[in-house]
Amino acid sequence: DAGVIQSPRHEVTEMGQEVTLRCKPISGHNSLFWYRQTMMRGLELLIYFNNNVPIDDSGMPEDRFSAKMPNASFSTLKIQPSEPRDSAVYFCASSSRGHGQPQHFGDGTRLSIL
Amino acid sequence: QKEVEQDPGPLSVPEGAIVSLNCTYSNSAFQYFMWYRQYSRKGPELLMYTYSSGNKEDGRFTAQVDKSSKYISLFIRDSQPSDSATYLCAINTGGFKTIFGAGTRLFVKA
Repeated sequence: DAGVIQSPRHEVTEMGQEVTLRCKPISGHNSLFWYRQTMMRGLELLIYFNNNVPIDDSGMPEDRFSAKMPNASFSTLKIQPSEPRDSAVYFCASSSRGHGQPQHFGDGTRLSIL
Repeated sequence: QKEVEQDPGPLSVPEGAIVSLNCTYSNSAFQYFMWYRQYSRKGPELLMYTYSSGNKEDGRFTAQVDKSSKYISLFIRDSQPSDSATYLCAINTGGFKTIFGAGTRLFVKA
């Protein structure tokens, strides 16, 4: 079975540029999560979607960050304009319906802002 | 106080050793307990998933939950160099939000 698929795997861009990260969740999963991982702060939840609807975006650090889920099989996380402090690994995860269900992660996008 | 505390290590052991990884948590409402393994440049991979107190065994891995002490453990028997990774504990109250520990880096030396 295909797991969570993220693209691109690596992104290097200059400060001020727009960055778009993409995610395809596991088929049949109705919950989708975007995380950011750094050495200093570990895994931070940015936003959570349930049935394609954003439920909690309190972890989104600034208005420069936005996320969409136009359908059950695709989500994007956009940073505009990007800054060097946004450099991190960004993970997408999905889980199936039900309380406390474990999340399944993609292999992440390693983002470097110069 | 953080909701989940996990020693970041690193922890270095010889091949064949029994490894004990631990987390403590503060909220007694947590009911679902997970362990993830993360290899370098990969995403966290679910290893163990348990509900409430007790033990769960899967091959060389045993997950243990002590809700009275708010303490969870992962034991790895006969550790192998391929077990070298970062191990993250994760806990959930039954809602959507899962709280992750900082992760413990484990090195198993051949």
